[in-house]
Amino acid sequence: KQEVTQIPAALSVPEGENLVLNCSFTDSAIYNLQWFRQDPGKGLTSLLLIQSSQREQTSGRLNASLDKSSGRSTLYIAASQPGDSATYLCAAPNAGGTSYGKLTFGQGTILTVHP
Amino acid sequence: NAGVMQNPRHLVRRRGQEARLRCSPMKGHSHVYWYRQLPEEGLKFMVYLQKENIIDESGMPKERFSAEFPKEGPSILRIQQVVRGDSAAYFCASSPPSTSGKNEQFFGPGTRLTVL
Repeated sequence: KQEVTQIPAALSVPEGENLVLNCSFTDSAIYNLQWFRQDPGKGLTSLLLIQSSQREQTSGRLNASLDKSSGRSTLYIAASQPGDSATYLCAAPNAGGTSYGKLTFGQGTILTVHP
Repeated sequence: NAGVMQNPRHLVRRRGQEARLRCSPMKGHSHVYWYRQLPEEGLKFMVYLQKENIIDESGMPKERFSAEFPKEGPSILRIQQVVRGDSAAYFCASSPPSTSGKNEQFFGPGTRLTVL
C-alpha cells in the first residue's frame, strides 16, 4: 500500500525567498509522481508530472525532482510571490508499478508567501 | 480544449435523499477517477473507471455509493440515502488513453456536497 508524506505541513515565507517542499513515498515501484496546487475552495491544478525515467522536471519558477531509490521528491519554488500561496499536494500512483490507476495523496503543505 | 467539467458545483441534500454528481472528462480522455476530500482531511481515492467498466473501486464505500461511466455521456457518482458524514468535496479527474503513454491526471473543480 502506497503512503505519501509531505513536510512541512505549513510554511510561511517573505516574498522573494526560494523554498523547498518535500514529499516521501513508501513504494518506489512507481511510473511517475505528480505535484498539484490547490487554492482554498477550488480544484486541483497539475503543476508537474515527473516520469520515473526522469530525475527532474521544470516549469517556469518550479522545479521538481524525483529520487525513486530513496522514495523522495522535492518541489523547488524560486523567487516566491504572494500568488504562490496555496496548498501544494504530492501524489504517487498505487503500489504495483501500474502506470494508470489511483493516486495516493500526501496531506499537503500549506504555503503562505507574504509581501 | 475544455478541462474536466463537473456539475453541479454545489449540492445540498437532506439526510436520506440521493445525490448524483456528474463528470465530463477532457476531450480524448478515456480514464475517469473519483476522489473525495473530507473536511480537514486529504484527498482519498474512491473509484477508477474506463468506458463501461469499473477498473478499481477499492476506495468506494461498500454501501450506498455507486459509479458508472457509460458509453455515451458523463461519468456519474451516485450516493443513495445520504448521511451527514457524506458532506465533502468530490473531485473527478481524467487521463488520456493508455496508448498515448501519457498518464497525467487532470482534475475538475469539484462538487461540494452538503448534507443537512
